[in-house]
Amino acid sequence: AQRVTQPEKLLSVFKGAPVELKCNYSYSGSPELFWYVQYSRQRLQLLLRHISRESIKGFTADLNKGETSFHLKKPFAQEEDSAMYYCALTGSNYKLTFGKGTLLTVNP
Amino acid sequence: DAGVTQSPTHLIKTRGQQVTLRCSPISGHKSVSWYQQVLGQGPQFIFQYYEKEERGRGNFPDRFSARQFPNYSSELNVNALLLGDSALYLCASSLRRSSYNEQFFGPGTRLTVL
Repeated sequence: AQRVTQPEKLLSVFKGAPVELKCNYSYSGSPELFWYVQYSRQRLQLLLRHISRESIKGFTADLNKGETSFHLKKPFAQEEDSAMYYCALTGSNYKLTFGKGTLLTVNP
Repeated sequence: DAGVTQSPTHLIKTRGQQVTLRCSPISGHKSVSWYQQVLGQGPQFIFQYYEKEERGRGNFPDRFSARQFPNYSSELNVNALLLGDSALYLCASSLRRSSYNEQFFGPGTRLTVL
C-alpha cells in the first residue's frame, strides 16, 4: 500500500523565516514524489516534482530514501507563500496518492 | 485554453439519488483522473482513464463508475448516494498515462447529499 503522511496540519511562520513542510511516505518500490499547492480561491497546481530536481518559487525538496521523506523547504518565506500544500506520490500503478495537507501561513 | 473544466459547480442531491459529474480535459490531454476530496483531507484517487479505458481504480464501491468519451471528456457517476459522498470532486488531466506527467486540476464540483 502507498501512503503519504504530512504530520503538521498547520504551520505558521514570519516573513523572512525559513520554512520546512514535512512529508513522509510509504511505498514498496521507487515512487515519484510531488508537491502540489493550492492558493486561496485557486486550483490545485503542481509546485515541484522530484524527478525535475528544480527549484520553484524558491522552494526545494530532497528525496531521502533512507528516511522515506520528501520535505519541502524555503530559506526565506514570503507572504504570498501562504497556501495549502499537499505532498503526493505515484508509482508503477500511476495512482496519485496525496497526504492530508499542511496549511502554511506566513505572517508579516 | 481555459484549462480543465468541470460541471456543474455545485450540486445538491438527496440520499438514494444518482449524480453525474462532467469533466473536459485540456486540449490534447488523453488521460483523465477523478478524485474525491472530503473536507480537511487531501484528494483521494477514484479512477484514471486513458484512451477511453479504465487504467486505475481506487478503493471506492461499485456505486462509483466513470467513462471517457472519444473526445477525451469524462463523466463520473455515483449511484445510491449516501451522506458520506458529500465532497469536492476533482478532475485532473495529463498528456499521457505516466507517473512523471503533471496533472492539471479542474476547479471541482461541490456535491452535497442531504
